[in-house]
Formats: sequence, C-alpha cells, structure tokens
Amino acid sequence: DAGITQSPRHKVTETGTPVTLRCHQTENHRYMYWYRQDPGHGLRLIHYSYGVKDTDKGEVSDGYSVSRSKTEDFLLTLESATSSQTSVYFCAIRNNELLAGDGNEQFFGPGTRLTVL
Amino acid sequence: EDQVTQSPEALRLQEGESSSLNCSYTVSGLRGLFWYRQDPGKGPEFLFTLYSAGEEKEKERLKATLTKKESFLHITAPKPEDSATYLCAVQVGYRGYQKVTFGTGTKLQVIP
Repeated sequence: DAGITQSPRHKVTETGTPVTLRCHQTENHRYMYWYRQDPGHGLRLIHYSYGVKDTDKGEVSDGYSVSRSKTEDFLLTLESATSSQTSVYFCAIRNNELLAGDGNEQFFGPGTRLTVL
Repeated sequence: EDQVTQSPEALRLQEGESSSLNCSYTVSGLRGLFWYRQDPGKGPEFLFTLYSAGEEKEKERLKATLTKKESFLHITAPKPEDSATYLCAVQVGYRGYQKVTFGTGTKLQVIP
C-alpha cells in the first residue's frame, strides 16, 4: 500500500466553475504525478512535482494548474472546467524504494471521477 | 515520438486456458517497462518492472518477458479473479524526470 488518497472520489460540476482535486500521501515521496484516463487513450500526464513548490508540465497541461506547498499534498486545479475535462484523474507517486519493485515504479491512488456538465 | 501499443484490446479466456498479452513499443532509450493491473473503478496496481532484453519476472500465474521491441505478459491457467485490464508502460529518461508512456490496455475476461 503506497498510502495515497485522493479527494473527492467523485464530483459533478458545471462548465466554467473552478475545481480542485487533492492527492495526499503519507510516505514522504518526492515525486508526485497527476494523470487523466480516458477511453481509447492511455494514462496521460498532466503535471508532475519533484519537490515542494517544484512542478512542471506534462503532455496535456492546458487548462490545469498544480500546487505543492507540502510534501504530502499535491493539488490539481481546473481554473474553469470544460466538458472536455470530464475524465478519471489519478495521482501517482514514484517509488522511493520503500515499496515493492526496484525503485522506478509509479504507484497510483484510487482516482477521482470528474464529470463536467 | 514514444509509442506503446497493446494487443489484443480485449481477450476472453476459459478458466485454465493459458494465453499471452502483447506490448510493443517504440522509444528512444528505454529505461524500464512496467506492467500494471487495473480493476474497474480502481487505480492501476503495479505488477512488474523489466529493464533489459531477456529479463523475465513471475508472480503467481503471471510471467512477464522483455525483448528489444516488445514485452509479453503470459497468463498460465487463469482464474476468474485474473479478470482485469492489464496496462503496459515504458519509461524513458527525459530532462531529468521520469517520462512514462502508457498503452491503452488489454481487457481480460476469464470465464469460469
């Protein structure tokens, strides 16, 4: 268990409203990631963080921003939600060799299902 | 551009009927290949990491192998509880961070 929680687990919102998703981890992992998962697409990286206040863009970052003010929390914000952002969002951490595997793997949270009407 | 292609998209097996899932990739400088299992409504669950051609790893009824262009996930005598979507992902080094490209998965259904 990588100790990753995501909140909320489900959310329905309207176009144009701001939305913030939270990822919380308990094991002091340095690297954290936000992905979205859509039918017909693999998991796609939105943003990632390599430390407190250190973040960078992934391949599908338009319309999203992130913040990391504490090691344990990584927030994803949709400034003005659009219907194209309806998706399942997953947070992940990079193994710091305390978990099963060889140290390069990513471990995922349970996901947040977001619907934008 | 890095690409990962998984086949078949869906596979239906009878319990006990062994088979293989394929993950072919085109990347520059493979650092690692990952297999995950994903159950409906849940996040991907890590299974294996493979680093170099010829490497093999096993876990219960699953065995993952790697060549220079593809990986196989062999499922021996599957059970209904092996039903899930299996994801393949490749890691390349990129600007000092871990760039990981995922395939779209193979949905496996094992019939009792």
